[in-house]
Amino acid sequence: QQQVKQSPQSLIVQKGGISIINCAYENTAFDYFPWYQQFPGKGPALLIAIRPDVSEKKEGRFTISFNKSAKQFSLHIMDSQPGDSATYFCAASAPWSGGYQKVTFGTGTKLQVIP
Amino acid sequence: DAGITQSPRHKVTETGTPVTLRCHQTENHRYMYWYRQDPGHGLRLIHYSYGVKDTDKGEVSDGYSVSRSKTEDFLLTLESATSSQTSVYFCAISESPGAEYGYTFGSGTRLTVV
Repeated sequence: QQQVKQSPQSLIVQKGGISIINCAYENTAFDYFPWYQQFPGKGPALLIAIRPDVSEKKEGRFTISFNKSAKQFSLHIMDSQPGDSATYFCAASAPWSGGYQKVTFGTGTKLQVIP
Repeated sequence: DAGITQSPRHKVTETGTPVTLRCHQTENHRYMYWYRQDPGHGLRLIHYSYGVKDTDKGEVSDGYSVSRSKTEDFLLTLESATSSQTSVYFCAISESPGAEYGYTFGSGTRLTVV
């Protein structure tokens, strides 16, 4: 059962455009929503994250928008650059046993930014 | 990736053979994780460790075992490899169980079971 649904699976954006990746979740126990960026041959790296008490968080060209009532959140990449070409994973974490926070990842979006 | 090394980077093995993947960290982080990455499934947790000799199962633990005898090393063993275990395996570390500190991932091990 996929608890975090991510779309689209792939995305092609022109240089300078806005890339938008969407995620939806069902589990209301999720209390932290990070986004990871992965380049080919590398492991994912934390990009930006948000808590559900905030509707938006911006770091440079990257913005997370969060809609708690709709249980949806999205990543916006403004002024997309070829160097942003990577696979992006949304994730959500919730308390689990023993103080551990279980992190559930989306299925990933492969972004290609063309010149 | 700085502070975390996975070995080997690539491995081809035959069905039914045992395979051990190694994760080594120099960050002295308490928490270590093994994930597998497959197209259409994203990253799925296999096992995790919250200290030396303290491990627990993740969501796709069948067919896998782990051991952690030292803080810096976390081993993933496929007791009898199957074709369904062909995947890219990532180790991750974190300094707290809370996700807010983020996970640091290794560069992965591409395992092919033929």
